[in-house]
Order: sequence, then structure tokens, then C-alpha cells
Amino acid sequence: KAGVTQTPRYLIKTRGQQVTLSCSPISGHRSVSWYQQTPGQGLQFLFEYFSETQRNKGNFPGRFSGRQFSNSRSEMNVSTLELGDSALYLCASSLAGTGIITDTQYFGPGTRLTVL
Amino acid sequence: AQKITQTQPGMFVQEKEAVTLDCTYDTSDPSYGLFWYKQPSSGEMIFLIYQGSYDQQNATEGRYSLNFQKARKSANLVISASQLGDSAMYFCAMSGDDYKLSFGAGTTVTVRA
Repeated sequence: KAGVTQTPRYLIKTRGQQVTLSCSPISGHRSVSWYQQTPGQGLQFLFEYFSETQRNKGNFPGRFSGRQFSNSRSEMNVSTLELGDSALYLCASSLAGTGIITDTQYFGPGTRLTVL
Repeated sequence: AQKITQTQPGMFVQEKEAVTLDCTYDTSDPSYGLFWYKQPSSGEMIFLIYQGSYDQQNATEGRYSLNFQKARKSANLVISASQLGDSAMYFCAMSGDDYKLSFGAGTTVTVRA
């Protein structure tokens, strides 16, 4: 079974631009979560989607948004990029979401975003 | 709110030896899951092992075992017979009823030949 895929793998943008990252979950998984990883802040939760509904959102400004499509694929968008948005963005999928504590999240390879 | 603490920023271990990575947690959820992930320098997070809060026995997966002490709120990862390919960052994480994983700061493991 194919794993979680993320595109693009690497991205370079300049301040003020916007970016869209894509995530395709493991087949049959309906929950998709996004995390931001930086050396200073570690891994921080961005948001989680299940059946096209956002069930939880982390403490990030409104410039960060996401959505999920009917085929469970997800995108996240960051508008008006800032230097501090440079990070590894990781997408994870699971069958039902961690509200069921046995549900395991499987991660994609990440998108490394650099903002100049 | 959930909190995960990993107090060891970095560790060195000799090849073929065992290593224990510490993880303590704090939560008010009555049930929760505990996970360990491995992150090589490539960046991908690889799931290693899971322990449920109601599981009576410690989880094991090949060379990985989880030493779960619920009363002490600890979930230490033991890697037996270390291999050079085990060199990576290791994260302890917790799930609750809020649809997210909370991660610790991670521990870097370097395996020496």
C-alpha cells in the first residue's frame, strides 16, 4: 500500500507570497493532520481534517489555512509568507483520527519550505 | 492540555548495545495513546511503536520495546542491539481526544561503530 505523499518536496518563496502544499493520504485513511517543524519550536500541530471537516486547529495565525477534499486529499495554504514560516511541513494520515486513541498517524516525507 | 517531556537532547550508543530513551507525559485525559517516532536526517517521521493507556502489557515491535509505567507517567523507548541505521532523532508523542498528537522535543541518537 502506498504511503503518504506530499508535494512539492522542496519550495523556495519570497516574503509576501503565498504557497499551497498538497498531501495525499494512505488509501482508506480519512483523517489528515498537518504539523510544522522548526528547530526553535519543534513539532507544532496546525490542523486536522476528517471527511472534509476541520476538527481541530492549532495556535497559528489565520494566514495558515487548509482544506480536505472528498477523496481525503488535503491542501494547506499559507498566505503573505514571513521569514518565520520557513519550516518542514509534515502531513500525517490515519484511519479515523486520534480521537480514537489507538489510531496511528503515518507521516509523509514533508515539504521543506524556505522563505527568503 | 497534554505535555510531553524528553530530557535527553542527545545520546551516543555503541553498535550492538541497548539504549533507553526517556519520555514523561502529563495529561488529564482518562485514556490516551503513546507513540514513538523516528526521524532520520531525510525528515520523514517513521512510526515505531504504540502503547495504549489501558494496555496491561508493555508494547514490543522487533528491536523496540516500550517501558510503560502509568503511575509514574513515563513511556521510555528501549532499542536493543543498536545498528548504525538507528542514528536519528526520536520523538515521543501522545494522542488524546482532541484529534492531534503532542510531541516532545526529541532525542538525537548517534550509534558508534
